[in-house]
Amino acid sequence: AQTVTQSQPEMSVQEAETVTLSCTYDTSESNYYLFWYKQPPSRQMILVIRQEAYKQQNATENRFSVNFQKAAKSFSLKISDSQLGDTAMYFCAFMKHRASGTYKYIFGTGTRLKVLA
Amino acid sequence: EAQVTQNPRYLITVTGKKLTVTCSQNMNHEYMSWYRQDPGLGLRQIYYSMNVEVTDKGDVPEGYKVSRKEKRNFPLILESPSPNQTSLYFCASSGGANYGYTFGSGTRLTVV
Repeated sequence: AQTVTQSQPEMSVQEAETVTLSCTYDTSESNYYLFWYKQPPSRQMILVIRQEAYKQQNATENRFSVNFQKAAKSFSLKISDSQLGDTAMYFCAFMKHRASGTYKYIFGTGTRLKVLA
Repeated sequence: EAQVTQNPRYLITVTGKKLTVTCSQNMNHEYMSWYRQDPGLGLRQIYYSMNVEVTDKGDVPEGYKVSRKEKRNFPLILESPSPNQTSLYFCASSGGANYGYTFGSGTRLTVV
């Protein structure tokens, strides 16, 4: 069974510093997608960044980047120049295709990040 | 604006009183899904739908029903709510596997 593990329940970082959130997953699939979602106190779920497993290049979106290590099944999120608005719960998610032709997302349990002024 | 509209935002109800949480998307997405979010458990899938009249169970379907009579709407029905269904619920839609989800704003449900 596929699982997604976020081993850091809570983290904090000083404003303007860099922080890395870890995510590991377990799968026997070779074709899949990975995502990071942000959930601020407003509780809205916002897609931050996505990575296709067949692409070796790490995805980047402004201050957000990932370190995708396929062999190690690791998908960490790096936030550079942290801002107070980055304070949120962050969820890692894995997507795989089902045999039926549908697809399924599996979410980790989340990492609560607090950016300190 | 492309969005998933979910209502109500908050709901307090009593055990056994049937309720429906509505979900509508304006992006012509085929794939829609319901999740519940509980502390320490992340998001768990309740039901999903690949298209009109096509629905299937997720990981925690017990006590829930869904319907997909129109492409844009995907309501979640609790026929006889119980306190263990107190949770934060999200509806989400996707235009394709690699695009990820667009989520609704969530429904905080309390069953007393």
